[in-house]
Amino acid sequence: EAQVTQNPRYLITVTGKKLTVTCSQNMNHEYMSWYRQDPGLGLRQIYYSMNVEVTDKGDVPEGYKVSRKEKRNFPLILESPSPNQTSLYFCASSLYANTDTQYFGPGTRLTVL
Amino acid sequence: ILNVEQSPQSLHVQEGDSTNFTCSFPSSNFYALHWYRWETAKSPEALFVMTLNGDEKKKGRISATLNTKEGYSYLYIKGSQPEDSATYLCAPGRDDKIIFGKGTRLHILP
Repeated sequence: EAQVTQNPRYLITVTGKKLTVTCSQNMNHEYMSWYRQDPGLGLRQIYYSMNVEVTDKGDVPEGYKVSRKEKRNFPLILESPSPNQTSLYFCASSLYANTDTQYFGPGTRLTVL
Repeated sequence: ILNVEQSPQSLHVQEGDSTNFTCSFPSSNFYALHWYRWETAKSPEALFVMTLNGDEKKKGRISATLNTKEGYSYLYIKGSQPEDSATYLCAPGRDDKIIFGKGTRLHILP
């Protein structure tokens, strides 16, 4: 089944404790992206990747890192999480950049205390 | 940052009625316009991708039109059903990015 998977689905952590949210797709998509969703602000792009070893900042990249060592995986890293990073995070992938349908993962609900 | 406006923010519609809502966006450097449907506690799901001025797409009772010259798109739902209750997101694609609007929250009243 074609899908985007994210892990974990739910995470409660404390300020400053490094964490990684994994994202994997099995559709051989070139483009992958991370979004955060906050009430009243909609979906905002954190980082995106056009292909392996190519990553770029989205609109809200501060406090996040990403890597794209393999085509299928695009982990989101929070080196030192802070409470303002409490949010719902979505990973998405598409064949190419902005003209193809994006397929979304199930979301990760992160709470930073 | 690309400014994407969706209106109305929220909409209550009687079951069986038809409805429509709007997405407006800057028309420069436009590549594509996406519509997504987002149900509570789920992930956004794609409805349409449109690229050409005058494009019209249809999926069952839902259809969309696109005007790239003036920078707007309409989404229409004919004969609303309870399962249409969701947030509808539009997202223009520009350069390497897709920028999402804040959505129109549609409530279908029985």
